[in-house]
Amino acid sequence: DIHLTQSPSFLSASVGDRVTIACRASQGVSSYLAWFQQKPGKAPKLLIYDASTMEGGVPSRFSGSGSGTEFTLTISSLQPEDFATYYCQQLNSYPLTFGGGTKVEIK
Amino acid sequence: EVQVVESGGGLVQPGGSLRLSCAASRFTFSDYYVDWVRQAPGEGLEWVGRIRDRAHSYTTEYAASVKGRFTVSSDDSRSSLYLHMNSLKPEDTALYYCVRNFRGASGRYYMDVWGKGTTVTVSS
Repeated sequence: DIHLTQSPSFLSASVGDRVTIACRASQGVSSYLAWFQQKPGKAPKLLIYDASTMEGGVPSRFSGSGSGTEFTLTISSLQPEDFATYYCQQLNSYPLTFGGGTKVEIK
Repeated sequence: EVQVVESGGGLVQPGGSLRLSCAASRFTFSDYYVDWVRQAPGEGLEWVGRIRDRAHSYTTEYAASVKGRFTVSSDDSRSSLYLHMNSLKPEDTALYYCVRNFRGASGRYYMDVWGKGTTVTVSS
């Protein structure tokens, strides 16, 4: 199984900050990686797929990059509605796996 | 609005069975890959299983933790999809999401339409 390690697992940031979340895969997943945002009590929402393609309707402050084993999700200027938990997911091989999540909280 | 709606969750004893349903609104399951994803209370996301579309003969994939106990099936006549769960264990306790996929430019299938989930509790 491909294990995804997200870092940090928790971060505290202020509105307007640039935030970067890392996702490292235990083996190469090419560009078959997605990022999700989940707010408390809500279903996850797809932000990025194919490592760097933004889902329709997602604000342009979100961006994804990387390939192989190293990926990042960047929020260029954190907004109040961005405080949530973020997950990466690999789709290179079965079983599909998720990272452990990164919780972004208000500083 | 395109959406999926799960139902069928509840309290079941260890070793028992349950069938979750997923209903599609404004699309047809036969044209899409669909996943089940679960989330234990206070925990992260865990992929459970996938059923491919009719063009791929509704073939399925499962996580090792549920293989042999859970089965995903599709009923085109009812525009519904099911997760049949047998030999349930306390560690199966979670919120279960039904998720529609779309095909990305890479050829991989990504989860874009999520339901609100249905809760399964396995306890005596």
